[in-house]
Amino acid sequence: NAGVTQTPKFQVLKTGQSMTLQCAQDMNHEYMSWYRQDPGMGLRLIHYSVGAGITDQGEVPNGYNVSRSTTEDFPLRLLSAAPSQTSVYFCASSQDRGLETQYFGPGTRLLVL
Amino acid sequence: GDSVTQMEGPVTLSEEAFLTINCTYTATGYPSLFWYVQYPGEGLQLLLKATKADDKGSNKGFEATYRKETTSFHLEKGSVQVSDSAVYFCALRGTGANNLFFGTGTRLTVIP
Repeated sequence: NAGVTQTPKFQVLKTGQSMTLQCAQDMNHEYMSWYRQDPGMGLRLIHYSVGAGITDQGEVPNGYNVSRSTTEDFPLRLLSAAPSQTSVYFCASSQDRGLETQYFGPGTRLLVL
Repeated sequence: GDSVTQMEGPVTLSEEAFLTINCTYTATGYPSLFWYVQYPGEGLQLLLKATKADDKGSNKGFEATYRKETTSFHLEKGSVQVSDSAVYFCALRGTGANNLFFGTGTRLTVIP
C-alpha cells in the first residue's frame, strides 16, 4: 500500500500560470479532500469529494477546481495562479464520511511569484 | 460556526518533562475530536481521537479526554522524548459534517 501520494513535491509558478496538483490513493477510500496549510492558519479545507463524480466546496474554494472521475484520483487545478495561493497543499482520504481516520499525503509546496 | 482554539506555541521542553497542549472548541451538537501530529517534512498523522463526551483517546503515551462541560480536549503526555518534536493539531468534526476544522497547530521541541 502506497497510501496517499502527491505530485509534485515542489513547484514554482509565475502569476497567471495554471497547473494541476495530483493526488492518488490506493486504499479504495470514498472520501478525499484537499487542504492548504498556511503559517498561523492551520489547515483549511479547499474542496472535498464523497465519491467518484461528486465534489463539493470547502472553506476556501476560490481559485481552485477539482474533479473526481475515479475513486483513486482527486486532482486539484489552479486555473490562474496568484501569489496568495503560495502554500503547502495536502491531500487526504478517509474510508468513511465520518472521517474517523484521515490519511494525509506528504504535501506539495507551491510558490507563486 | 464550528471552530477550534489551540494553545499558541512554540513549546520547548526538556526530555522527560510533562506536556500539556490546550485545545478548546465551539460546536453545536456532539462533535468528534482529534489530535493530529505532523513530523518535519511529512503530512499529518492521526494521533488519537474521541467521539463522545468523557471518552479518553490515547496513543504512544499521549492522552486527551473529551470534556463537554469545559468544551476542551487537552493533549497530555507524562514524559516527552526528543522524537516527540513535531507540530500538533487539534481538530473537530461537527455532527453530520463532511469536513474537519483544524486548530492553528502547536510546535513542540524537546531538547535532550
